[in-house]
Amino acid sequence: GDSVTQMEGPVTLSEEAFLTINCTYTATGYPSLFWYVQYPGEGLQLLLKATKADDKGSNKGFEATYRKETTSFHLEKGSVQVSDSAVYFCALSPSAGNNRKLIWGLGTSLAVNP
Amino acid sequence: GAGVSQSPSNKVTEKGKDVELRCDPISGHTALYWYRQSLGQGLEFLIYFQGNSAPDKSGLPSDRFSAERTGGSVSTLTIQRTQQEDSAVYLCASSVKGAAFFGQGTRLTVV
Repeated sequence: GDSVTQMEGPVTLSEEAFLTINCTYTATGYPSLFWYVQYPGEGLQLLLKATKADDKGSNKGFEATYRKETTSFHLEKGSVQVSDSAVYFCALSPSAGNNRKLIWGLGTSLAVNP
Repeated sequence: GAGVSQSPSNKVTEKGKDVELRCDPISGHTALYWYRQSLGQGLEFLIYFQGNSAPDKSGLPSDRFSAERTGGSVSTLTIQRTQQEDSAVYLCASSVKGAAFFGQGTRLTVV
């Protein structure tokens, strides 16, 4: 069945460092792909999305490119801030079948130190 | 309202009691999810409603858990005979075109 695998955390970076959080997926067809963020003590928020191959989602300085050839949707940010400390979840929405429920990665915790 | 609304925001209950958690999704969203999240953990899928289709109940951890969605809108998650291991944050999300929008959750504490 469909699945999402994302790199294990925690990830600890210094402010202004480059961030990559890897996400790969297994799915039939062309799923939609998402990154969600959960800041401490808050609910999950949609961060960015991409709905077809080669699409790039971007928001708040974060980017992720839908790579069909490598079945990946890695999250990147060029210069992280302390306020980016959160848990990041990769997810996919299947494009085929009767059950289109979202499939989630386990989450990656990011801590950014000043 | 503009977003997904969950109530109550906090619930403390005694072991063995039944609880009902409510979710008001975003108007027009046909899909609705319930998840559970324990402290520092990922999302545990509970149940998924999509339009008029039979719900996907594959994530419900036991027969003490049930959920319904009336009129394709409001949903209620019911936990019967609560146990201490049921303590968690229960999240509801509604969805359109695949993207899910979450409520703030109900923090359930079973004492």
